[in-house]
Amino acid sequence: QKEVEQDPGPLSVPEGAIVSLNCTYSNSAFQYFMWYRQYSRKGPELLMYTYSSGNKEDGRFTAQVDKSSKYISLFIRDSQPSDSATYLCAMRPTNAGKSTFGDGTTLTVKP
Amino acid sequence: DTAVSQTPKYLVTQMGNDKSIKCEQNLGHDTMYWYKQDSKKFLKIMFSYNNKELIINETVPNRFSPKSPDKAHLNLHINSLELGDSAVYFCASSPGRLSEQYFGPGTRLTVT
Repeated sequence: QKEVEQDPGPLSVPEGAIVSLNCTYSNSAFQYFMWYRQYSRKGPELLMYTYSSGNKEDGRFTAQVDKSSKYISLFIRDSQPSDSATYLCAMRPTNAGKSTFGDGTTLTVKP
Repeated sequence: DTAVSQTPKYLVTQMGNDKSIKCEQNLGHDTMYWYKQDSKKFLKIMFSYNNKELIINETVPNRFSPKSPDKAHLNLHINSLELGDSAVYFCASSPGRLSEQYFGPGTRLTVT
């Protein structure tokens, strides 16, 4: 079993929809949680960075962490065609610099 | 201004050759990484350096040798290239060992 599981999709939604992207994990030592957006043929770009449980909002993006369920989510409100990309979750424990990534979910937002 | 840059962007070479990929960051970060992303988009860490010191060395064939001449540079040298080495290699940097990472644009390596 992988340490981090992420539904690869693909996920296709109409413009303006609310998108929910999710990851589950098995390592209870994970404390830092990140979401990256990767456009085709580009490097991953950090979107959200959260510590422990709770919510964090940045514009149209909201990251949620539920450590009791070992489940994290990224919500995108009012999705735009420019949000079409692969979204990668990543996480790591407090005492190590190594991040473990999910496989990525490919999202397409149709105009 | 490019924060994390890699050269070359594309690299096509034959099996058995030796090649290098260079990475530079102008963010003043202490920690740099090399990742490999395969055709299924899975991103896996290979190495990490903190202040020029190797701190993470995953199970990577010893044909891969990272070199950090200074804090701003982390190069990757690959000997005796194999078909399975074909992938996109990403360099990344972070302010510290426990901080979020910023990625370069990637080097697409194709071994024929």
